[in-house]
Formats: sequence, structure tokens, C-alpha cells
Amino acid sequence: KQEVTQIPAALSVPEGENLVLNCSFTDSAIYNLQWFRQDPGKGLTSLLLIQSSQREQTSGRLNASLDKSSGRSTLYIAASQPGDSATYLCAVYNTNAGKSTFGDGTTLTVKP
Amino acid sequence: DGGITQSPKYLFRKEGQNVTLSCEQNLNHDAMYWYRQDPGQGLRLIYYSQIVNDFQKGDIAEGYSVSREKKESFPLTVTSAQKNPTAFYLCASSIGGLAGNEQFFGPGTRLTVL
Repeated sequence: KQEVTQIPAALSVPEGENLVLNCSFTDSAIYNLQWFRQDPGKGLTSLLLIQSSQREQTSGRLNASLDKSSGRSTLYIAASQPGDSATYLCAVYNTNAGKSTFGDGTTLTVKP
Repeated sequence: DGGITQSPKYLFRKEGQNVTLSCEQNLNHDAMYWYRQDPGQGLRLIYYSQIVNDFQKGDIAEGYSVSREKKESFPLTVTSAQKNPTAFYLCASSIGGLAGNEQFFGPGTRLTVL
């Protein structure tokens, strides 16, 4: 059974800092990995999708990497801003299971 | 605008009542999903449907039921058999198939049992 872990559960940084969020998974037979952002009381917004054959994806100040063999993904946020404060979740899609498994998320606070 | 809508935004249920949460999408997606989110936790899959008139149980299907009579609609019924239904419910859709499983989410429905 796939298990997805996100550490730390919470992170607080000053504005302008570069930071890395971590996502690890136990079953490396994934088809892709998706990073989401969730604001309090809201739905999830898709940030980046990395296919299993890719090493990284970039969108603006965000860069996501994937190391399938070691079961790890990172989300790099450059020059953080208070508006980046949210919970970030990762989800891995397993071909054999035909569904996605989500981590519990990392809650990020960027202080002005 | 293309997207996923969920209604109502807030729902209150008395003990023993069945309630139905609505999810509609105009993205022409084949696949639709229902997730439950409890405070401080990730999402757990309740039911999913890859195509009209077909659906499968997820990890926590007990006490829930769904139907998929139309491509754009995937309502979820929370029955009285669900012992702890208070949670945030999220609906998602994707194009479908392996190549199109990037998921897009609705705004959610918060269900509270009184």
C-alpha cells in the first residue's frame, strides 16, 4: 500500500527566503506526482505535475523535482512572499492502484 | 468559465439523516472523484468514476453512495450509516486514462453533523 509523507508538517520563514518542501513515498511504481496548494477552507489548486519519466518541472518561482528511485520529491519556492502562505500537498498516482494517494501536507507561513 | 462547482458550501445534518452533496463539471472530463479531508490531514478517496455509469469504491466508501448518470455530474450521498461524517468534502475531475489523470478540484463542501 502506498504511503506518502510530508515533513515538516509546518514551516515558518521570513519573507524573501528560498525554501524546500519535501514529499516521500514508499512505492516507487508511480505514474506521476502532483503538487497542490490549499488555502484555508478552500479547494486544492494544482501547482505542478511531474510525470515519472521527468526529473523536474518549473512554473514561475516554483520548481518541483522527482527522484522516483529514492521515492522523493521536493518543491522549491524561490523568494518567498506572504501570499505563498498556505498548505502544500503532494499526491502520487500509482498505475497498479489506479488512484492517487495524498500526503498530509506542509503548512507554510511566510512572515512579512 | 470552465470549472468544477460544488454545492452547498456549508451543510448541516441531523443524526440519522441522509444528505446529498452536488458536484458538477463543465470541463468535459471523463473521470471524477470524491475525497474527504479531516482537520490537519490529507485527502482520503471515497469513490471514483472513470466513465459514465461506472464507479469504484475508494479507501473509505462505507456509509457513502454515489451515482454517475451524466458525464458532468457525480453526486455523493452521505448516509446515516456513516458514523462520523463531519468533514470537508472535495470533488475533483480529470481528463481520464493514464495520460490524463491530472486532477482539478472544486471549492469543497463542509458538512457538520448537529
